[in-house]
Amino acid sequence: EAQVTQNPRYLITVTGKKLTVTCSQNMNHEYMSWYRQDPGLGLRQIYYSMNVEVTDKGDVPEGYKVSRKEKRNFPLILESPSPNQTSLYFCASRSTATDTQYFGPGTRLTVL
Amino acid sequence: EDQVTQSPEALRLQEGESSSLNCSYTVSGLRGLFWYRQDPGKGPEFLFTLYSAGEEKEKERLKATLTKKESFLHITAPKPEDSATYLCAVQASDYKLSFGAGTTVTVRA
Repeated sequence: EAQVTQNPRYLITVTGKKLTVTCSQNMNHEYMSWYRQDPGLGLRQIYYSMNVEVTDKGDVPEGYKVSRKEKRNFPLILESPSPNQTSLYFCASRSTATDTQYFGPGTRLTVL
Repeated sequence: EDQVTQSPEALRLQEGESSSLNCSYTVSGLRGLFWYRQDPGKGPEFLFTLYSAGEEKEKERLKATLTKKESFLHITAPKPEDSATYLCAVQASDYKLSFGAGTTVTVRA
């Protein structure tokens, strides 16, 4: 089954404690991206990657890092989380041939 | 800067009462306009991609249309299972995707 998986699905942490949210897709897609979703603000792109070792900033990259060492994985790293990073995070992937983007189930992060 | 504005923010419909959602946009070099459906607590689910003005796509009770400045999502004779938040997004020439805030549709039986 074609899917995008994220882990963990729920995470409560404290300010300053480094964390990583993993994302994996099994569709051999070139393009992957991370979004955060906040009430009234919609989905905002954090980082995206056009292919392995190619990453670029989205609209809200501050406080986040990403890496793309393998085609299937695109982890999101928060080196020093702060309360304003409390949000619902989505990973997504798509084939550059079809433009159809598939989203993961989401990770709800709370930073205390 | 690319902008996507969806209206209304919320829409309450009676079962069978057709209506339309609006997505107006400004983007540098439109590569595509996308519609997604999102259920509470879940990731957005792809519905349609539109590439050029005049294009239309249909799926069950949903029909999406595109002009040079806006897109409409028409819901014909909706059912309670059509209740969801509908998201519009535009992709610019640099492949960046910008989303609107969404329209939350509630269909009452």
